[in-house]
Amino acid sequence: RKEVEQDPGPFNVPEGATVAFNCTYSNSASQSFFWYRQDCRKEPKLLMSVYSSGNEDGRFTAQLNRASQYISLLIRDSKLSDSATYLCVVNLSNTGKLIFGQGTTLQVKP
Amino acid sequence: DAGVIQSPRHEVTEMGQEVTLRCKPISGHNSLFWYRQTMMRGLELLIYFNNNVPIDDSGMPEDRFSAKMPNASFSTLKIQPSEPRDSAVYFCASSKSRGRWTEAFFGQGTRLTVV
Repeated sequence: RKEVEQDPGPFNVPEGATVAFNCTYSNSASQSFFWYRQDCRKEPKLLMSVYSSGNEDGRFTAQLNRASQYISLLIRDSKLSDSATYLCVVNLSNTGKLIFGQGTTLQVKP
Repeated sequence: DAGVIQSPRHEVTEMGQEVTLRCKPISGHNSLFWYRQTMMRGLELLIYFNNNVPIDDSGMPEDRFSAKMPNASFSTLKIQPSEPRDSAVYFCASSKSRGRWTEAFFGQGTRLTVV
């Protein structure tokens, strides 16, 4: 079983739609959680951290369910510029060992 | 800051040749990571260093791969001999360890093709 699993998609949505991505992780001792964004042929970049109580950054909302070992990302009012691959990331230790999921591809269409 | 710098950006080599990928982390960062990305397997952690010391190399695929970090500002990933299945994008990332919420900054990657 992979340590971090995501539905690869692709998710094809119209502009303005709300879309949600899910991710599960296998190691219950995981310390912290993130969503990274990767544009085509570019490097991954941090989108947002995921806190236990859930957190929001503009149109983006991240939630964590430790009991189910499940992380989600909600994007409201999708923009064309949101088209990218979204990577679920788990930190397994305080030394910052980051494990990436395979990514979910989002394509927002006009 | 210039960010994480990787070289070369692209490398095409013949099977059996030695390949060396280079990385300069962000100044002041004390953790460095090497990842490999393919369509089939996604982004895989190969090895990571903390304060120039290898902490976990369990992701290194086999003995053909080796990584070094002789000082805080330079690391190499070497493949010898290279094989076509090593073709991938190799990313180097660095972070300033601040416990659980450390952010990793990636270089632009080296696209390796072994023919």
